Amino acid sequence: DAKTTQPTSMDCAEGRAANLPCNHSTISGNEYVYWYRQIHSQGPQYIIHGLKNNETNEMASLIITEDRKSSTLILPHATLRDTAVYYCIVRVAGYGQNFVFGPGTRLSVLP
Amino acid sequence: DADVTQTPRNRITKTGKRIMLECSQTKGHDRMYWYRQDPGLGLRLIYYSFDVKDINKGEISDGYSVSRQAQAKFSLSLESAIPNQTALYFCATSDFQSTGRTGELFFGEGSRLTVL
Repeated sequence: DAKTTQPTSMDCAEGRAANLPCNHSTISGNEYVYWYRQIHSQGPQYIIHGLKNNETNEMASLIITEDRKSSTLILPHATLRDTAVYYCIVRVAGYGQNFVFGPGTRLSVLP
Repeated sequence: DADVTQTPRNRITKTGKRIMLECSQTKGHDRMYWYRQDPGLGLRLIYYSFDVKDINKGEISDGYSVSRQAQAKFSLSLESAIPNQTALYFCATSDFQSTGRTGELFFGEGSRLTVL
């Protein structure tokens, strides 16, 4: 079973920040939070991951609460091409566990 | 060219036929995976392989078999296809060394299978 809870869908205006929440209240101390996205029916694409510190890369920022029970993926300036299903996954890093993909959040970026 | 290539990209077949989906990768990764995706749902793991001598069942392996012919090739077979195997199938790879010890997945473009 997926260890995360995400809203089914969200809308965001083009050019605005998209903030996608994820709850993972049962996360263990050695589990990372990963984010992937799937554009239309393409293969999912890795976005970012983190353990407890906030992380940023060229695609997005990941904010993890201090108690690690929830996190937020931030797309700072959403474009129409960011319309996709976003998956939040918790998993021990390395080869300890397989990735379990839940239904994710369908983000629609509106013009 | 894609790093993870799946063939065929689309296939329509009839109930009872044997079908093989092939996956090849040029990333040099050691681990390969087959996932299935049904409309509106997440991905479910069918089989995974750590190397050519290692095959492991995922959560929905019944009705499927796999073959790891080489490090770069991982095939999924449906011995006798049935309509509820109609789905989008994804191959993925991962590698401990090149992904900074995080093991994230790299996916192919998918193979859409329809069983009539």
